[in-house]
Amino acid sequence: EVQVVESGGGLVKPGGSLRLSCVASGFTLGGYSMNWVRQAPGQGLEWISAISSSSVYKYYADSVKGRFTISRDNAKSSLYLQMDSLRAEDTAVYYCAKCHSDSECGWFDSWGQGTLVTVSS
Amino acid sequence: QSVLTQPPSASGTPRQRVTISCSGSSSNIGSSTVNWYQQLPGTAPKVLIYTNDQRPSGVPGRFSGSKSGTSASLAISGLQSEDEADYYCAAWDYSLKGWVFGGGTKLTVL
Repeated sequence: EVQVVESGGGLVKPGGSLRLSCVASGFTLGGYSMNWVRQAPGQGLEWISAISSSSVYKYYADSVKGRFTISRDNAKSSLYLQMDSLRAEDTAVYYCAKCHSDSECGWFDSWGQGTLVTVSS
Repeated sequence: QSVLTQPPSASGTPRQRVTISCSGSSSNIGSSTVNWYQQLPGTAPKVLIYTNDQRPSGVPGRFSGSKSGTSASLAISGLQSEDEADYYCAAWDYSLKGWVFGGGTKLTVL
């Protein structure tokens, strides 16, 4: 069964850092592009970052560019999101989402259960 | 303010047909395919329609999608109580170089 499981969320002060992880199982992570999508409390979905299978291509939403860094370790079947200079508006549930393919993502065919990040003093 | 525009809410009675619209621009819907995601209360989103009008296995035939120009629609026929959820459209935006979502439509079955 294809599965992605996020971890690493928690409470952090404004200006602080946090690193999220997403572990994949049931498929070979190295064959797919991956994404991070977040959802603020009571709000809609916001895509924030994508990474190609070999890490050659990385994309970021303007809201996180320069503060967040996406990376992956295919040997460990893991995707990461390093979040620095966190702000209150970064408070959200962060989802890891698998692309349908690598060459052209197409759509997100598998999502994790999400991990909650709360930025507050 | 979301790049793709959806009505914030929609409603219908059981067995009715409901449509949800999604409006974009030439840089996203006009140049890309549209996907729809369903988010049931308290759960993660899941893909409902991909590539404008394709249903993943397991998604009932009551759900259908279409796209024309810079707009797309999700139709749900034979509405059921378990269809109460938030629905999001999404597309790749070639100008922003990223995925964009609609603001979401909360569907209520009366």
